[in-house]
Amino acid sequence: NAGVTQTPKFQVLKTGQSMTLQCAQDMNHEYMSWYRQDPGMGLRLIHYSVGAGITDQGEVPNGYNVSRSTTEDFPLRLLSAAPSQTSVYFCASSAGTHTEAFFGQGTRLTVV
Amino acid sequence: AQSVTQLDSQVPVFEEAPVELRCNYSSSVSVYLFWYVQYPNQGLQLLLKYLSGSTLVKGINGFEAEFNKSQTSFHLRKPSVHISDTAEYFCAVTLYNQGGKLIFGQGTELSVKP
Repeated sequence: NAGVTQTPKFQVLKTGQSMTLQCAQDMNHEYMSWYRQDPGMGLRLIHYSVGAGITDQGEVPNGYNVSRSTTEDFPLRLLSAAPSQTSVYFCASSAGTHTEAFFGQGTRLTVV
Repeated sequence: AQSVTQLDSQVPVFEEAPVELRCNYSSSVSVYLFWYVQYPNQGLQLLLKYLSGSTLVKGINGFEAEFNKSQTSFHLRKPSVHISDTAEYFCAVTLYNQGGKLIFGQGTELSVKP
């Protein structure tokens, strides 16, 4: 009963490095999203997908890329990490607009 | 554009006291409304949701919320809190035709003291 799985749980990057945050769900959900959580700002949408092959930008997309080649996976790529990208990242999936979103446990990223 | 405002960033309360966490939203079209809870170092978990129908919605752990369309509010209440309710609570909205696109408020940190 895995639900939404994010890896890694913790990561430290140097400025300018690239990395991919992994997200996988086993519930056959069409909708998947990436959020970042910063103190006092709630969660802000980075990118989302309404199905395999379809992605769109959210509120704070700059510096991040996504792709959705399968229903199960929705990786988030940081192309050139910056200290401003230090945050906790959450992946979520849902079956539809009005249904519950299931969240992963989060990835805590520090960029030094 | 849609937005969500949680009016209190921190709410301290004693155990067994009632609590209300306030949420206002702004939207020119119909929205779905949600409350999520986040326990320390964990992801978010759904407490309750309003889609349509009765304006009083009951959720898990004894929480309930009331949708008020005229005041564009969706306040969360619990008549008697427990220490275990200590967590951060997020109000969120999504448009009826924009699945996967939740807009969150800033969060309210509920601290229940013995």
